[in-house]
Amino acid sequence: DQQVKQNSPSLSVQEGRISILNCDYTNSMFDYFLWYKKYPAEGPTFLISISSIKDKNEDGRFTVFLNKSAKHLSLHIVPSQPGDSAVYFCAASDGGNQFYFGTGTSLTVIP
Amino acid sequence: ETGVTQSPTHLIKTRGQQVTLRCSSQSGHNTVSWYQQALGQGPQFIFQYYREEENGRGNFPPRFSGLQFPNYSSELNVNALELDDSALYLCASSLGPGANTEAFFGQGTRLTVV
Repeated sequence: DQQVKQNSPSLSVQEGRISILNCDYTNSMFDYFLWYKKYPAEGPTFLISISSIKDKNEDGRFTVFLNKSAKHLSLHIVPSQPGDSAVYFCAASDGGNQFYFGTGTSLTVIP
Repeated sequence: ETGVTQSPTHLIKTRGQQVTLRCSSQSGHNTVSWYQQALGQGPQFIFQYYREEENGRGNFPPRFSGLQFPNYSSELNVNALELDDSALYLCASSLGPGANTEAFFGQGTRLTVV
């Protein structure tokens, strides 16, 4: 039972434009959400997080939006750069000791 | 500050064999979590170790077992390997057991069972 879903396996964006990666979840007990970025042959790297008490968190070019009523979050990257090309995983926690990951979205930023 | 390192990076085993994967946690971290990432899937939680004790387990059979040592490094053992165990195994270390604590991942061990 996939509690965190990323329905777009891939996304291509022109350099300089906005990249929007989406994530949906089903468990209303999730209270903390994260985005990880993964390059080939490397482990996932933490990118940005958001607590359920907020609806937006911004860190430089990266902004995460949380819509609790829709059980949806999104990651915005502005402006997109070729070095952002990677697989992005959305993850969620219910306060326990594990993350629940989505299946990932492969982002390609075209120069 | 050393990061999370895993060994080996690649491994090929035969169905029915046993395998041990190793993880050195980041300096100062006392918690290690193991995840399995099958092809095309997101990482799935196997279990977590905190101060040498198992601290939560995902939906994996008992043939998946682990250890954490006094220096907080960890091992993942899988007995009676099955073809479906072929996956990338990721280790993550953190300062504490709560999932709201940032976890740092190693590069993973790619296990192939033939």
